Amino acid sequence: SAVISQKPSRDICQRGTSLTIQCQVDSQVTMMFWYRQQPGQSLTLIATANQGSEATYESGFVIDKFPISRPNLTFSTLTVSNMSPEDSSIYLCSGRQGGNEQFFGPGTRLTVL
Amino acid sequence: KQEVTQIPAALSVPEGENLVLNCSFTDSAIYNLQWFRQDPGKGLTSLLLIQSSQREQTSGRLNASLDKSSGRSTLYIAASQPGDSATYLCAVRGTGTASKLTFGTGTRLQVTL
Repeated sequence: SAVISQKPSRDICQRGTSLTIQCQVDSQVTMMFWYRQQPGQSLTLIATANQGSEATYESGFVIDKFPISRPNLTFSTLTVSNMSPEDSSIYLCSGRQGGNEQFFGPGTRLTVL
Repeated sequence: KQEVTQIPAALSVPEGENLVLNCSFTDSAIYNLQWFRQDPGKGLTSLLLIQSSQREQTSGRLNASLDKSSGRSTLYIAASQPGDSATYLCAVRGTGTASKLTFGTGTRLQVTL
């Protein structure tokens, strides 16, 4: 399966600021996704990143708070805007090629003070 | 709406034991099911993918079964080792190539010496 890298791996941010997380896949993939995992919880899908168009957001997530870009088939960014302590989570990028298995990046551990 | 449940939530076994993790889902119209492993503070590692037409998949000491009609999957780990200690997540994907994964809450496994 493809390998996903994320930058940064972790960050500590002040409330009210924004952080952009980068996701790079080592091969082209049809689908890319962004997930959030709050402490002690399972994964929640934030949005599907669509190449060249606006992302498709899940209920409870909005573009103003989590703008997403996907300029090509191997790269995507997620921005967490106007952060509050409740945004402290692990953010995971994921990819899938067609009907095959889905794979995940190592995650970005975000702490908001 | 698909709901995925994993039992037990936590499990502690001595090294060398064989064990079974359970996953149940409410909507049997699935495309495939994946088992993942997550180490603390890390991303997800895909262990096994079972397509809806398959009954089981094996990889080394791991064997996953799928009974789609009853909405159940099991992950069997043979001869457990301390390195198997992690959280194991089950995720089901709905029908359609663009559909998303729904995750269970996970089973936290500890294998003791």
